[in-house]
Parts: sequence; C-alpha cells; structure tokens
Amino acid sequence: QQQVKQSPQSLIVQKGGISIINCAYENTAFDYFPWYQQFPGKGPALLIAIRPDVSEKKEGRFTISFNKSAKQFSLHIMDSQPGDSATYFCAATVLNTGTASKLTFGTGTRLQVTL
Amino acid sequence: KAGVTQTPRYLIKTRGQQVTLSCSPISGHRSVSWYQQTPGQGLQFLFEYFSETQRNKGNFPGRFSGRQFSNSRSEMNVSTLELGDSALYLCASSLVAGSSYEQYFGPGTRLTVT
Repeated sequence: QQQVKQSPQSLIVQKGGISIINCAYENTAFDYFPWYQQFPGKGPALLIAIRPDVSEKKEGRFTISFNKSAKQFSLHIMDSQPGDSATYFCAATVLNTGTASKLTFGTGTRLQVTL
Repeated sequence: KAGVTQTPRYLIKTRGQQVTLSCSPISGHRSVSWYQQTPGQGLQFLFEYFSETQRNKGNFPGRFSGRQFSNSRSEMNVSTLELGDSALYLCASSLVAGSSYEQYFGPGTRLTVT
C-alpha cells in the first residue's frame, strides 16, 4: 500500500519560474514531513521539513505548504535555477516513537529547469 | 564534520552469491538505517539499527540482514542474490534533537547482480 503519493512524475520549468511538487498521505499518524533532493550518483539530501502544527515553512527559495485536513503537502521552489535540476522526494514518518527512522517516500519528481 | 560514508561504491555480483555492504555514520549519530532504491519501487526502508540492536524492519525477505558495531558502523548483508536485488543501497544516519529529526544519507552502493 503506497502511503505517500507524489505528483507530477516529471516537471519542466523555465529559469526564474516556480516549481511546485505535491504529495498526499494516507496515514494520519504521520507527523513529520521532509523533502529530499537527489542528484544523479548521489544520495538524497535533506532540503526542508515540516511538522503538522504549522501550515507553511520557508527556507530561502524553498517553501513547504501543509494542509492537515486534506492530508496534503507541497514543495514550492521560487526563482527556479538550472542547478535545481534534480529528483525531489517527499517523505513522511511518525516522529515521537521509536519508528522515526522508517521514512515512507513518495515516488519522486524529476525536475528540469531550462534556460 | 564528515558525512555518511559507504563502501564499496560499486559492486557486481553473480546470482546466488552473497554480498556485504558497509556504512559509517556521521560522528555522534547512533542510528543507522538502510534503504533500497530502484527505478520500479523507489526508495524502500530495509531496517534500522540503534545501539547495536535492530529497532525497525521493513518488508524485505530474511535474505537481507544487518548488524551494527559498538562504534555505530553498520553492515548490511544480502545472501543468495537474485537479479531483482540490483539496486542502489543507501545508508542514512539520524539524530533526534528535541522536535527536530534529521536523517542524512550516504552516496550509496550501486549493486549489480548478473
């Protein structure tokens, strides 16, 4: 059972544009939602994360929007740059238990930022 | 501070063989998790070790096993390799600090089974 659904599968955005990636989850016990960025040949790198007690978190050009009632969260990349071209994964876990490490990942979005 | 290191980076094995992968976590991190990444199944959790004990386990067959040493270094073993075991195996070390949880991934070991 896929517990975190991610869309779109791929995305092409022009330089300077806004990239938006969406995720939806099923398990209402999830209380920690990180986003990872992965370049070819590298492991995923933690970008930004959010807890459900806030609706938005911003770090530089990256913003997470969280809608607890809809069980959805999204990543917005403002002023997208060619260097942002990578695969992005959303994930979820239950933080305040011994199972925090058991991240459930979305299927990934391949972002290409064109000049 | 050095990141998560994994060895070897690339490995080619034959069906039926076994393989051992190694992971050194970030200094001070006591939790080590392993993931399998494939184009078809994406990123899937294998297991987690904390203080030399397996604390969590994903839905993988018993051919996949691991262990953790007193210095937090971890190894993962796959016995009786199958073609479908070809994947990128990622190790991650974790730190819980208050309400923050951060999991850092290594570069992975690319395993090819022929």
